[in-house]
Amino acid sequence: DIVMTQSPDSLTVSLGERATINCKSSQSVLYSSNNKNYLAWYQQKVGQPPKLLIYWASTRESGVPDRFSGSGSGTDFTLTISSLQAEDVAVYYCQQYYSTPPTFGGGTKVEIK
Amino acid sequence: QVQLQESGPGLVKPSETLSLTCTVSGASISSYYWTWIRQAAGKGLEWIGRMYSGGTTNYNPSLRGRVAMSVDTSKNQFSLILGSVTAADTAVYYCARTVAVDGHPNWFDPWGQGTLVTVSS
Repeated sequence: DIVMTQSPDSLTVSLGERATINCKSSQSVLYSSNNKNYLAWYQQKVGQPPKLLIYWASTRESGVPDRFSGSGSGTDFTLTISSLQAEDVAVYYCQQYYSTPPTFGGGTKVEIK
Repeated sequence: QVQLQESGPGLVKPSETLSLTCTVSGASISSYYWTWIRQAAGKGLEWIGRMYSGGTTNYNPSLRGRVAMSVDTSKNQFSLILGSVTAADTAVYYCARTVAVDGHPNWFDPWGQGTLVTVSS
C-alpha cells in the first residue's frame, strides 16, 4: 500500500494569514503516460463528511474558493490556504488514487489563532 | 445533484455481521463506482472497498476476507457486509461515489453523511 504522511498534525494560523499543509507519498503517484498526479485533497468540518477540494493534485473542484490551491508532483504535495477564513477551520486530508487500495494521510487540523 | 444516505443498525454485537445500505439519488447506480469508507472516532479515513454495478469489486486486504458488497439496481442502492466484527470495527461508515476517468477509479465525491456503528455486547 502507498503510505501517505501529512505534516504538521495541527496548525494554528491567524485570520487572513497563509496556511500550508504538506503531504508525502511513500512512492510516486505521478502516472507517466498522462503526466497526472493521482492525488486529492479533502476538507472535513466537525460532524460532517469529507468534502472534495482538489483533484489531480492542483485542480480545484467546482465551487471551491480560489484561496485553496494544490501543488506538487511525484511524492511531495502541498495544500495552501492563501488567506485563512473562519469557515476554513477543519481537518484536511490528502488521498492517493494511483493504486488500490486508495489511501489517506492522517489529517491536519487547522485552527484559528 | 447526487446524494447518498447510509442506513443500518447502529449497534452490532461482537462476532456478528454488520450490514449497511447506501441509497443513491440523483444518479443511476449503474453508471459509477461506489465505495465504502470508515472513520474511527478521532482517527483518519480507511477505505473499505468499492464496487461497480457490473459486479466488479475491490476490497481492502486489511479486512482479510470479512467484507462483501452488493448492489440492488432496482432500488438504486448498494450494500456493505462486514463479518466477525470486533470493537475495532466501531466507526462512522460513509458511502461515497468514486469518480472514474477512463475507467480508472479516482477521487470520492460526493459522500453520504455517515452512520455510526458501534460494536458492543
